[in-house]
Amino acid sequence: GESVGLHLPTLSVQEGDNSIINCAYSNSASDYFIWYKQESGKGPQFIIDIRSNMDKRQGQRVTVLLNKTVKHLSLQIAATQPGDSAVYFCAEKSNAGNNRKLIWGLGTSLAVNP
Amino acid sequence: DTEVTQTPKHLVMGMTNKKSLKCEQHMGHRAMYWYKQKAKKPPELMFVYSYEKLSINESVPSRFSPECPNSSLLNLHLHALQPEDSALYLCASSQGGSGREDEQFFGPGTRLTVL
Repeated sequence: GESVGLHLPTLSVQEGDNSIINCAYSNSASDYFIWYKQESGKGPQFIIDIRSNMDKRQGQRVTVLLNKTVKHLSLQIAATQPGDSAVYFCAEKSNAGNNRKLIWGLGTSLAVNP
Repeated sequence: DTEVTQTPKHLVMGMTNKKSLKCEQHMGHRAMYWYKQKAKKPPELMFVYSYEKLSINESVPSRFSPECPNSSLLNLHLHALQPEDSALYLCASSQGGSGREDEQFFGPGTRLTVL
C-alpha cells in the first residue's frame, strides 16, 4: 500500500506485504532527510536517514528513496509486520547556517492487519 | 548507554503550580532539545541547547524556562501554565558540532496535563 501527502493519512496493509510511505518536502536547500517511527505512548525512534548526495539507502527491511527533482522522499518497508504499526514522520534539514532545526512532515499512520 | 531518559513519565499540575521536567543523556551529545507534541501532530521544536548554551528559542512563552546545568542534563521549568499547554513534552539529543548530521535521539516523553 502507499500514502501520499503531508496530512496524516492512514495506510492499512496486510502482514507480509510491502509498505510505501511518501513524503513531499518543501525546501530545495534541504540536504539531510530522516525518517522516524513513533509508536503509541513513545518518543520518535530513528529508522533511517539519507543525504542529498544519495538517491537510495537501504537498512534492515527498510529503504529510503530520494528524488530531489520533484522533492519527494519515500520509505519502503519490506514484509511489513504488526510491530511496524506506528506513525511515521519524515523530516528535512538544511545545514545552511549550521541550523539544527528539523522540519517535520505531518506523519502517516501505518496499520498492519494480521 | 544509548538512551535519553525523561522524568516524570506523567505530570498533572494546576495553573498556579511550579514544576520541572528533567532529561538526561550519557551519550556525550552536545546538543539537546525540547519539543512539544500534541496528539496526532509532529513534534514542535521549543528550545535547542548547543554546548550548554541556549542557541534556539522558538518564541516560546516565558512560562516555559529551559535550563542546561551540564552537558548531560536538560530541565524545563514550568510555571503558570494554561490548559492548552497539555501535551507530550519530548527531549532529544544529538552529537552536535559544526557540519555533523543531526540524528536526534528522543526520550519517551513526559505526558503533561494542566488542569
